[in-house]
Amino acid sequence: AQSVTQLDSHVSVSEGTPVLLRCNYSSSYSPSLFWYVQHPNKGLQLLLKYTSAATLVKGINGFEAEFKKSETSFHLTKPSAHMSDAAEYFCVGSLTSGTYKYIFGTGTRLKVLA
Amino acid sequence: ETGVTQSPTHLIKTRGQQVTLRCSSQSGHNTVSWYQQALGQGPQFIFQYYREEENGRGNFPPRFSGLQFPNYSSELNVNALELDDSALYLCASSLAGYEKLFFGSGTQLSVL
Repeated sequence: AQSVTQLDSHVSVSEGTPVLLRCNYSSSYSPSLFWYVQHPNKGLQLLLKYTSAATLVKGINGFEAEFKKSETSFHLTKPSAHMSDAAEYFCVGSLTSGTYKYIFGTGTRLKVLA
Repeated sequence: ETGVTQSPTHLIKTRGQQVTLRCSSQSGHNTVSWYQQALGQGPQFIFQYYREEENGRGNFPPRFSGLQFPNYSSELNVNALELDDSALYLCASSLAGYEKLFFGSGTQLSVL
């Protein structure tokens, strides 16, 4: 079955320390993968996307993610957390060739401590 | 801001009623998708419309239906509302052939 799994429902980091949000996928097809962020009362904003080009993808606001086929992972990282990074993060997959739908993970709520 | 607008922002209905949610897509986008996001969950795909035709559907019953208009705006209709329909409903627009979705801020539906 095609699926996206976010391994942590909540992550807390101190401001200025690295962020790691973990995501694994299952797909028999070479997937397209995305990370979206959702701030309260706002729509989902695309952080970055992987579409079979470079395996290390750089996104907005200093975030990046690395696609590892051997580990079926697409973890999101940031070297130094900022208070404004506190939000819900979703790993999303377009997991079937020619698919018209996204499959969302269950989300990771990032808390940034002062 | 993505340019995708949804109305209303909040809505309260009672069980058994019908509801219509509206979405205006980003300029130039010809494809609209609808997602349901229950509290504490990731969004779930409801259906997608392209050129006024349904172009794919998720695991939702027929009482969830939609329309897309010639200007590419869209409606989501839900009949015979149930308590479990309480959720944030998200609309996303895109250009056919491109995978990037642009999401609106959603309509929060509460069914009492």
